[in-house]
Amino acid sequence: GENVEQHPSTLSVQEGDSAVIKCTYSDSASNYFPWYKQELGKRPQLIIDIRSNVGEKKDQRIAVTLNKTAKHFSLHITETQPEDSAVYFCAASTRTTSGTYKYIFGTGTRLKVLA
Amino acid sequence: GAGVSQSPRYKVAKRGQDVALRCDPISGHVSLFWYQQALGQGPEFLTYFQNEAQLDKSGLPSDRFFAERPEGSVSTLKIQRTQQEDSAVYLCASSLGLAGRGTDTQYFGPGTRLTVL
Repeated sequence: GENVEQHPSTLSVQEGDSAVIKCTYSDSASNYFPWYKQELGKRPQLIIDIRSNVGEKKDQRIAVTLNKTAKHFSLHITETQPEDSAVYFCAASTRTTSGTYKYIFGTGTRLKVLA
Repeated sequence: GAGVSQSPRYKVAKRGQDVALRCDPISGHVSLFWYQQALGQGPEFLTYFQNEAQLDKSGLPSDRFFAERPEGSVSTLKIQRTQQEDSAVYLCASSLGLAGRGTDTQYFGPGTRLTVL
């Protein structure tokens, strides 16, 4: 079946440094790629997304890049802060046999920003 | 406005009991999704509703799992004869448009943590 691989599983960075999380997807028809931040015991919160007709999108300290040919997409966080510490999930919207779409999630990256 | 809400937030069940988990989506959202999130894992798709119609239930792990959304708003996920392997967080998400486009953002509820003893 369709899957999304996410790396690394854990990432520790010093405050102020950058963090990069990478995902690959298998369904070439995937057309939407959201990133969610999930703090312990909380709901996943959308932080940024990108559609398949765009190669890069930026929102303040957060950016996402998409390489459709290689089926890779990445999350970049610059000037990290302690409050960025959380688990980050990538997802790819993949078409189902019923003609609708569903998200396939990666396994998550636990980011720790050290003060 | 109000986001997606779920109840109960925590549920402890003895093996063999039936449980019912409720989801209140964002008002006006057509699409509703249920996911299962095991500890340390990403959410896994269970089922999808477009209004009251259940268009995809391919992710339901067994026939003990049943979901409904009779009036196209509130949804209930029911698990019969719970087993220990059902222990997980059950997340509900809703989106404004149809899942047939694939590009609508899904907004998640806080989840229900189910523990089966």
